[in-house]
This record gives sequence, structure tokens and C-alpha cells, in this order.
Amino acid sequence: ELKVEQNPLFLSMQEGKNYTIYCNYSTTSDRLYWYRQDPGKSLESLFVLLSNGAVKQEGRLMASLDTKARLSTLHITAAVHDLSATYFCAVDIRVDYKLSFGAGTTVTVRA
Amino acid sequence: ETGVTQTPRHLVMGMTNKKSLKCEQHLGHNAMYWYKQSAKKPLELMFVYNFKEQTENNSVPSRFSPECPNSSHLFLHLHTLQPEDSALYLCASSQAVSYNEQFFGPGTRLTVL
Repeated sequence: ELKVEQNPLFLSMQEGKNYTIYCNYSTTSDRLYWYRQDPGKSLESLFVLLSNGAVKQEGRLMASLDTKARLSTLHITAAVHDLSATYFCAVDIRVDYKLSFGAGTTVTVRA
Repeated sequence: ETGVTQTPRHLVMGMTNKKSLKCEQHLGHNAMYWYKQSAKKPLELMFVYNFKEQTENNSVPSRFSPECPNSSHLFLHLHTLQPEDSALYLCASSQAVSYNEQFFGPGTRLTVL
């Protein structure tokens, strides 16, 4: 059974500083997705990572994938308040039509 | 309408009621999904439909009954629910089950009294 672990589960960020969220998974996969969820809202797709070494950047967020280490990171540069949300990674092993989601990292950015 | 829509957005029902959740996708996708999101638990996949055919039933109790009349519409029929079924129910779609970037609807917040 595929296990997806995110850490930390809670992250209190100070505005202007840099932080990283980690997503580890237990089975070989070359497809990983990052989503953002605001309180009471749905999941918004942030990044699609489709190969080893893939790196995607959008604004202050950058995601990368290391399939050999079975690790993806979501790096936040110079945190700002509107990045407060819960971030999920999801892994696709392409054998059973499923995405397996991590538990989510709840981010709070303080002044 | 664009993307994935869900109705109703909020639903309160008693344990003896029967209600239905509706999902519609306007993306031309062929796969649709129901997820349950409960507080402090990971997102749980409930059902998967590919070209209107159910391909996954993730050990979901029979009090939840999905229906997919076409590739654009997905329903979740509810009957004799339990209070522990209270959760956010999310619908998603993807181009195909073999390419799994999923786009989510806004969800239905369900409360079972």
C-alpha cells in the first residue's frame, strides 16, 4: 500500500522568511501533484511534476521531485500572508487509478 | 459555468432522509471522482468513474450510492446516513484515469444530525 507522508503537518511562518514542506512516499512513482486548500474551500492545483528532477515555480512557490529518493519538496520564498493555507501532495503510481494524498501541511504566515 | 461545479454547497439532513449531491464538470474530461474530507483525516477516495463506468469502490458503505449518467455528471445518493458521515464531499474530474491531474469542485459541506 502506498504511503504518503508530509512534514511538517503544521508550519508557522514569519513573513519574509523561507520554508520547505516535504513529501515522502513509499512506492516508485514519477507523478506527483501539489494542491492548495483554503479554509472551507476546495483544492486548487498548484504543480504537476511528471519526471525525476522536475522543478516547477510559480511566484513564491517552487516544487521539485526526486523520484530516486521518493521525495518532493515545496519551497516557499519570502513568505507572505496570502500563502496561509493547507498544502497537499498527492502521488500517482498509475496502477490503480488513484491519487494517494498526504495528510496536508497547514501553513500560517504571521507578521 | 466553468470547471467543476457542485450542488448543494451545504446540506443538513437527518439520519432517515434521502438526499443527493450533484457534480458537473465543464472540462470535457472522461473520469470523475468522489472524495470525502473529514476533519483531521487524509482525503479519502470513495468512487471512480471512467467513461461512465465505475472502476473503483473504495470499500464505501452502501448508504452511499453513486450514479454517473454521462461523462459530465456525477451524483452521490445518500440514505440513512450516520453522524460520522458529516464531512466535506468533493467531486473531481480528470482527462482520463491514466492521466491523473484532477480538478476539484468547491465541495458540499454535509451535516448529518
